[in-house]
Amino acid sequence: GAVVSQHPSWVICKSGTSVKIECRSLDFQATTMFWYRQFPKQSLMLMATSNEGSKATYEQGVEKDKFLINHASLTLSTLTVTSAHPEDSSFYICSARDWGLANNEQFFGPGTRLTVL
Amino acid sequence: QQQVKQSPQSLIVQKGGISIINCAYENTAFDYFPWYQQFPGKGPALLIAIRPDVSEKKEGRFTISFNKSAKQFSLHIMDSQPGDSATYFCAAPDPNAGGTSYGKLTFGQGTILTVHP
Repeated sequence: GAVVSQHPSWVICKSGTSVKIECRSLDFQATTMFWYRQFPKQSLMLMATSNEGSKATYEQGVEKDKFLINHASLTLSTLTVTSAHPEDSSFYICSARDWGLANNEQFFGPGTRLTVL
Repeated sequence: QQQVKQSPQSLIVQKGGISIINCAYENTAFDYFPWYQQFPGKGPALLIAIRPDVSEKKEGRFTISFNKSAKQFSLHIMDSQPGDSATYFCAAPDPNAGGTSYGKLTFGQGTILTVHP
């Protein structure tokens, strides 16, 4: 199956700093990638939809200036958490749709654990 | 906004038993209903998915049953094994998922499955 990678797998940072998380589709092209946040023992909450070459679409309540998304190529999307605070500590997961497939399957990355001190 | 209600929240079965998880949705923009399996600290992985042109789909020990008129679908795990212990999420397409948000899914709350040896 299609493979999606995320880097880093975990990161610890100080409050007020920015953190960038990369999401790559390794063996397929993804015009659309999705970014989710998951708190412990909770479901996946969609943060934004990332489309190659255009601005991301953010879900209601998600601050676009705090969570910067860039989808510069068909295989790479990045999420930057700016001025991170302890409440931003969470598990961030991306997924990607293979534009070559007729179905709507999303392939998920392994996730990035962010801890803000 | 799509509401996806998943039940039960947790489930304990004995090895060899049948695990049944249910999901109900409100509306949909397209027909694709997946179940995901997630182990602690990992990203979700697609387990099985169905398109409602059929009422049932079976892959090995996993079966999806779909009731389009009732807007419900369920996951059956036959001969449950300790290795099946994980969190399971159903998902349904967001009814407003069009254009740049095509493919957007809304996830259920998750079911923590524990299979005792």
